[in-house]
Amino acid sequence: DAGVIQSPRHEVTEMGQEVTLRCKPISGHNSLFWYRQTMMRGLELLIYFNNNVPIDDSGMPEDRFSAKMPNASFSTLKIQPSEPRDSAVYFCASSLTGPGGSLTFGSGTRLTVV
Amino acid sequence: RKEVEQDPGPFNVPEGATVAFNCTYSNSASQSFFWYRQDCRKEPKLLMSVYSSGNEDGRFTAQLNRASQYISLLIRDSKLSDSATYLCVVTRGYNTDKLIFGTGTRLQVFP
Repeated sequence: DAGVIQSPRHEVTEMGQEVTLRCKPISGHNSLFWYRQTMMRGLELLIYFNNNVPIDDSGMPEDRFSAKMPNASFSTLKIQPSEPRDSAVYFCASSLTGPGGSLTFGSGTRLTVV
Repeated sequence: RKEVEQDPGPFNVPEGATVAFNCTYSNSASQSFFWYRQDCRKEPKLLMSVYSSGNEDGRFTAQLNRASQYISLLIRDSKLSDSATYLCVVTRGYNTDKLIFGTGTRLQVFP
C-alpha cells in the first residue's frame, strides 16, 4: 500500500495567490482529515470527511479556506487568497471509521507564503 | 483551557534511562486515547493505543486514568532512536472520529 499521498511536498507562493493542496487517502479508508501544524499551535484539525461528505469544518480558520472531496480517492484543500500567516505544514490523514480508529498521515505539504 | 495539554520538554535523558510523560485532557467524554510519535520534519505516526487497563508494547507502557483525566507514557531503557516528539491524542468527546492532538513532548536521548 502506498499510504496517504500528498502533493506538492513544498509550496512557496506570494501573498494573495491561490494555493491548492492535494491528497490521496489509503484505499478503503472512509474518513479523511486535514490538519495544519505550526510551532506555536501544534496540530490543528481543520476539517474531516466521512464517506466523502464534510462532517465537521469548524476548524477551518476562515472563508479563505475551502476543502472538497469529490470521490473516495481524492481531496483538495484550497486557500484563496493566501496570507503569510497561513505558512505551516498541512497534513492529510485517513482512517477507517469506528471506535479506536487511528490515523495514517501523509508526508505533509510545507507551505510558505511570502 | 486546551483540550489536550502536555509538557513541551525537552526531556534530555541518557541512553538506558527510564522516562515518563504525562498528558491531561479536558473532555471527560473522550473515548479513545493514543500516543503518536513525530520525528523532526516528518509526519506523526501511531506509537500505541492506550487502554483503560493499561498496556505495554516492548519498552513502552501506556496508562490511562479516567478519574483524573490523564494519560501517561513510560519508556524504559531509552535508545538514541527514541529521540522524537511524542504526541498525546484523544478523541473529542463521544465522537470517535475526531482526534485532537497535544502539542507534544520532545525527548532527546544522548549517548
